[in-house]
Amino acid sequence: AQKITQTQPGMFVQEKEAVTLDCTYDTSDQSYGLFWYKQPSSGEMIFLIYQGSYDEQNATEGRYSLNFQKARKSANLVISASQLGDSAMYFCAMREGGRRGNNRLAFGKGNQVVVIP
Amino acid sequence: DGGITQSPKYLFRKEGQNVTLSCEQNLNHDAMYWYRQDPGQGLRLIYYSQIVNDFQKGDIAEGYSVSREKKESFPLTVTSAQKNPTAFYLCASKTGQGYQPQHFGDGTRLSIL
Repeated sequence: AQKITQTQPGMFVQEKEAVTLDCTYDTSDQSYGLFWYKQPSSGEMIFLIYQGSYDEQNATEGRYSLNFQKARKSANLVISASQLGDSAMYFCAMREGGRRGNNRLAFGKGNQVVVIP
Repeated sequence: DGGITQSPKYLFRKEGQNVTLSCEQNLNHDAMYWYRQDPGQGLRLIYYSQIVNDFQKGDIAEGYSVSREKKESFPLTVTSAQKNPTAFYLCASKTGQGYQPQHFGDGTRLSIL
C-alpha cells in the first residue's frame, strides 16, 4: 500500500503568489516524521522542511511552511511569495517508527510546480 | 566543503555488463542509501546501510549489489541481472537514528547502449 500520496497534476503559479502542495500519508505509528524535498531539473534533491508527529506547531522555514493536520494525515507544503527558482518537482517523504525504526524514508511521486513571471 | 559525491554523472552500459556507481561522503554520516528514480516517478529504495560492513535490501534490490567497507563509501553495482537499468540513481546519507534529514548527491544517470 502506498504510504505517501501526492496526486495533484502539474501546477502553474504566478510569481509572488503562494502555492500549496498536497501530501497525505498512511501510518499506524504514533511517532513519525515528514519531510519535503525539492528536485530542480538538474536532479539533486534539496531538503526543505521537517515536521515531527509530536510537534505541536506547524513547521516553518523561511518561505516554506507546513500545514500539518494529524487527524487527517496530511502535511501540505505552502510556498509563499513564489520565485522563478521555485520551479521544480517537490517530494513528500515519511520516516516511521521512532528512534528504533528502520531509518528509511518512503517517498511520494511528487508534485510538479512551474512558476511563471 | 562537506557533501556527497556521486560519480560518474552519466554512465552507459552495454547489454550483459556490470557497472559500478560511486558514492562518497565526507559528512561522517553513519547511514547511506541508494535510490532509483524513473521518469515522472518518486524515489524507490534499492539498498541501505546503517553501519560499516552491514547493509539491508530495500524495495527493489533485485539485480543490484552493494558493499560498505568504509564509512565514507557505498558503491552500487548494477548487474546484468537488472533487466531495466536505465534510470536516475541517487545516493543519500544521514546521521544518527532519529529524524535528521537525508542529504543527497547530485545523481548518476545510467543508460543502456
